[in-house]
Amino acid sequence: DGGITQSPKYLFRKEGQNVTLSCEQNLNHDAMYWYRQDPGQGLRLIYYSQIVNDFQKGDIAEGYSVSREKKESFPLTVTSAQKNPTAFYLCASSTTGGSSPLHFGNGTRLTVT
Amino acid sequence: SQELEQSPQSLIVQEGKNLTINCTSSKTLYGLYWYKQKYGEGLIFLMMLQKGGEEKSHEKITAKLDEKKQQSSLHITASQPSHAGIYLCGAATGNQFYFGTGTSLTVIP
Repeated sequence: DGGITQSPKYLFRKEGQNVTLSCEQNLNHDAMYWYRQDPGQGLRLIYYSQIVNDFQKGDIAEGYSVSREKKESFPLTVTSAQKNPTAFYLCASSTTGGSSPLHFGNGTRLTVT
Repeated sequence: SQELEQSPQSLIVQEGKNLTINCTSSKTLYGLYWYKQKYGEGLIFLMMLQKGGEEKSHEKITAKLDEKKQQSSLHITASQPSHAGIYLCGAATGNQFYFGTGTSLTVIP
């Protein structure tokens, strides 16, 4: 079955360390997205990519970096510059053009202490 | 950026009761999406509305988009414990998708 896989489900890191969250899709979607979810704040867009080797900043890109070297993969690195990295991170994908809905992975909960 | 306001923030209902969740946009909506999320999991797509006055149903969930395309409502008939979760509305602006803050629904058996 096609879908989006995020790994790991839970991630623990010490403050000051960079950490990379994995997102892989086999839906053949061109567009991929990273969101951060905090209690009471809904989903906030971190980065998105419409095509391989291209990506744009969302509303809260500071302290994060991404790459899009393959269509299937859109990893997110949470750097030590991110002041409040503890959150639930969601990856999504969609076809481009038209009005297709986003398909979501099951998320990664990152805890930084 | 698109701003989507949802109300209420949370809802606790007795099983079997009907309920409505609202989503209001600061701009005209050209596509409104409803999602459901169980705690700690990803979002599940429910329905998409595009035309003013459009109404769609899936099982006991009905969503409507008003004629002016700035407000949508999600109505659940005869709620069940399986309906519990967080409901989010979303909208696309250009290449970006934005979401409301969500409505947390608890259904008491």
